Amino acid sequence: NAGVTQTPKFQVLKTGQSMTLQCAQDMNHEYMSWYRQDPGMGLRLIHYSVGAGITDQGEVPNGYNVSRSTTEDFPLRLLSAAPSQTSVYFCASSYSPTNSPLHFGNGTRLTVT
Amino acid sequence: SQKIEQNSEALNIQEGKTATLTCNYTNYSPAYLQWYRQDPGRGPVFLLLIRENEKEKRKERLKVTFDTTLKQSLFHITASQPADSATYLCALNSGAGSYQLTFGKGTKLSVIP
Repeated sequence: NAGVTQTPKFQVLKTGQSMTLQCAQDMNHEYMSWYRQDPGMGLRLIHYSVGAGITDQGEVPNGYNVSRSTTEDFPLRLLSAAPSQTSVYFCASSYSPTNSPLHFGNGTRLTVT
Repeated sequence: SQKIEQNSEALNIQEGKTATLTCNYTNYSPAYLQWYRQDPGRGPVFLLLIRENEKEKRKERLKVTFDTTLKQSLFHITASQPADSATYLCALNSGAGSYQLTFGKGTKLSVIP
């Protein structure tokens, strides 16, 4: 089982560029989420989805878009990258939206110059 | 405002001793609380989940307690080993029916041989 797969592992963008961080899981999990991790700030929730076609905002959604067209995939889009979006991004999934452990990918390290 | 505090950023402990990590929260009524381990350059890995009606949970050398009156969880690693060195994160949901899992900033544990 691959679990949660994130691509790319590293990315450098210039301010104003757009890109999509990919996340795929092969565990048939209903719940998927995106976090960013910054030094001194911990993990902060960006967006989450409780099933295909359903998404909602987390703590820090501004500057990011998501969609969930299939159970397996949950891409995160940066429409116009800013230096403040330099971070490590983690995708996570779980069997149920509540009371269920999260399975994390190994992250995408994004630098915006 | 809501807050999750993990007692210290770093904790050093001698091999063989019991490590105790603290997670305190304010203005949450979590239905459950989780603990994760994170190694450098990797995503967090789930360790234990404890529900609001459970006082204690054990798994091998790990023990978690959950006191909803004190608004505190304690995470213990008995007979600690250098391989236990990592950052440990607590996470809780915002309350019954909440789909958002909020993380503390973590405690970096170093087990010294």
